[in-house]
Amino acid sequence: AQKVTQAQTEISVVEKEDVTLDCVYETRDTTYYLFWYKQPPSGELVFLIRRNSFDEQNEISGRYSWNFQKSTSSFNFTITASQVVDSAVYFCALSESYNNAGNMLTFGGGTRLMVKP
Amino acid sequence: DTEVTQTPKHLVMGMTNKKSLKCEQHMGHRAMYWYKQKAKKPPELMFVYSYEKLSINESVPSRFSPECPNSSLLNLHLHALQPEDSALYLCASRNPGQGLETQYFGPGTRLLVL
Repeated sequence: AQKVTQAQTEISVVEKEDVTLDCVYETRDTTYYLFWYKQPPSGELVFLIRRNSFDEQNEISGRYSWNFQKSTSSFNFTITASQVVDSAVYFCALSESYNNAGNMLTFGGGTRLMVKP
Repeated sequence: DTEVTQTPKHLVMGMTNKKSLKCEQHMGHRAMYWYKQKAKKPPELMFVYSYEKLSINESVPSRFSPECPNSSLLNLHLHALQPEDSALYLCASRNPGQGLETQYFGPGTRLLVL
């Protein structure tokens, strides 16, 4: 069975600080995808990134960067120079074997990030 | 365009009411999903439609009845709900047949059952 753990339930930082959100996953599949979604107070889940199990290249997008390490089953997310608008709940999610009917997502419990001015 | 729309944004209903939630996407996605999310919890999958056919029902009570009239629309019919059904209901869509494509979510409907 697959599992995603986000050990940090809440993080509070002051604007301009860097912050890393941790994500650890468990899966028996060799082919899988990992995702990060952002959920602001408005409620919508906003897709941030998808990474497949064969691509361990780290990625940077503006102030956001992601570190994927298969050896430790981790997919961590770093926000550099955080801003108040980054305040949200962030979910890490895992999807295993391709299934035309499903593509079931297993979500972590989420990390609530509060960025104070 | 990765837009999924949901109406209404907010809904208050009594336990004897019948109401419907609507979800629409025009991205040509052929898989659509309903999720339920309680406060401070991750989304929980309720139903999956693939090519307009119900493919997954995660043991959801019959007071929730999904419907997929066409490839762009997904409805969730509500009847005789309980106060514990109050939650954020999220719709998502995905394009199957091309690998593990991303699920794109709508803004959700906040439901309060009195």
